Amino acid sequence: DVKVTQSSRYLVKRTGEKVFLECVQDMDHENMFWYRQDPGLGLRLIYFSYDVKMKEKGDIPEGYSVSREKKERFSLILESASTNQTSMYLCASQGDREGNTIYFGEGSWLTVV
Amino acid sequence: AQSVAQPEDQVNVAEGNPLTVKCTYSVSGNPYLFWYVQYPNRGLQFLLKYITGDNLVKGSYGFEAEFNKSQTSFHLKKPSALVSDSALYFCAVSPLNSGYSTLTFGKGTMLLVSP
Repeated sequence: DVKVTQSSRYLVKRTGEKVFLECVQDMDHENMFWYRQDPGLGLRLIYFSYDVKMKEKGDIPEGYSVSREKKERFSLILESASTNQTSMYLCASQGDREGNTIYFGEGSWLTVV
Repeated sequence: AQSVAQPEDQVNVAEGNPLTVKCTYSVSGNPYLFWYVQYPNRGLQFLLKYITGDNLVKGSYGFEAEFNKSQTSFHLKKPSALVSDSALYFCAVSPLNSGYSTLTFGKGTMLLVSP
């Protein structure tokens, strides 16, 4: 079974703090993704990566950055957290063939106060 | 750009009755189509996908979905609903030959199955 692990399930951070959300996958997948989920808005793509050290902006990259130093690990960084970044963050991974299933982690609930 | 519409925010069905969760899509060319389910405070779990071939796709937990190209729909169905099927369901689309296969999701449909 594919396993995508998000190390922090629940976080509370203060406005202006730098926040790291970590994600690790164990299936040697090339592609990794960060989504944000908000009620009524569904899932929106923040960033994705198709290879180590490669990244592409998704639909809502503003206020976020990412890091992919190793194939199995994809980090989402909030340089200066703001209250409007309070949300559920979902990491996902996918093998490098069209139509391959995208597998999700359990999610990280971030509250910025 | 591709898009997905799930026209119902919520679907209510009695246990034992058939259920349908609707999804329509818009994409250039032929699509890959997916259904995911999300239980409270959990990530998304893959249910089934359509890539090519038979228009009726069978997936996990007794769910199936029918691809209808002329109506650009991919409705999720189950012949007999269970209370444990109550969850949030997402339809997603990715165009063929898109390179990185990023998915576009619908806003989700909450399925409530009453005993």
